[in-house]
Amino acid sequence: AQSVTQLGSHVSVSEGALVLLRCNYSSSVPPYLFWYVQYPNQGLQLLLKYTSAATLVKGINGFEAEFKKSETSFHLTKPSAHMSDAAEYFCAVSDRGNTGKLIFGQGTTLQVKP
Amino acid sequence: DGGITQSPKYLFRKEGQNVTLSCEQNLNHDAMYWYRQDPGQGLRLIYYSQIVNDFQKGDIAEGYSVSREKKESFPLTVTSAQKNPTAFYLCASSISTGEYQPQHFGDGTRLSIL
Repeated sequence: AQSVTQLGSHVSVSEGALVLLRCNYSSSVPPYLFWYVQYPNQGLQLLLKYTSAATLVKGINGFEAEFKKSETSFHLTKPSAHMSDAAEYFCAVSDRGNTGKLIFGQGTTLQVKP
Repeated sequence: DGGITQSPKYLFRKEGQNVTLSCEQNLNHDAMYWYRQDPGQGLRLIYYSQIVNDFQKGDIAEGYSVSREKKESFPLTVTSAQKNPTAFYLCASSISTGEYQPQHFGDGTRLSIL
């Protein structure tokens, strides 16, 4: 069965510092992976997706993620954190069988300190 | 602008009462989903629908019911059988149920018990 693990429920960085949010997946076949961001009391917004075209995926708001099959990882990074990046971030893997179901990680709350 | 509209934003339920959460999309998407979000637990799938007049149970369907009579609408009823309904409910849609298709989310309904 597909699964996703996000390491660290809370991450705190200073403004201008590197952001690294970790995601590891479990899948018996090449996965389709997604990162979403959620601001308080709002829905989820797609940041980026991996669909096997390229291992380094660029998303919105300066975020990118690298798919590493050998490490079963899909970590999200941003070179320089901005105060507006403070939010909750979710990694998700697509379920197999064309149901369209997404399996989400527990989420990581990013705090950005001035 | 195309998108997903959830209403109401806040909802209160009395003991023994059924309540219905609305979800409407004008994206012309075939697939629609309902998720429940609890703090620290990520998103869990309640029900999903791949096409009009068809829907399937997700991982936590007990105490919930849905209908899909129109392509653009996928209402969720929280029945009195759901003993712990307090949560944030998110509706999503995707063009199809292809594994590489991202989901688009509404802004959620927060349900509380009176």
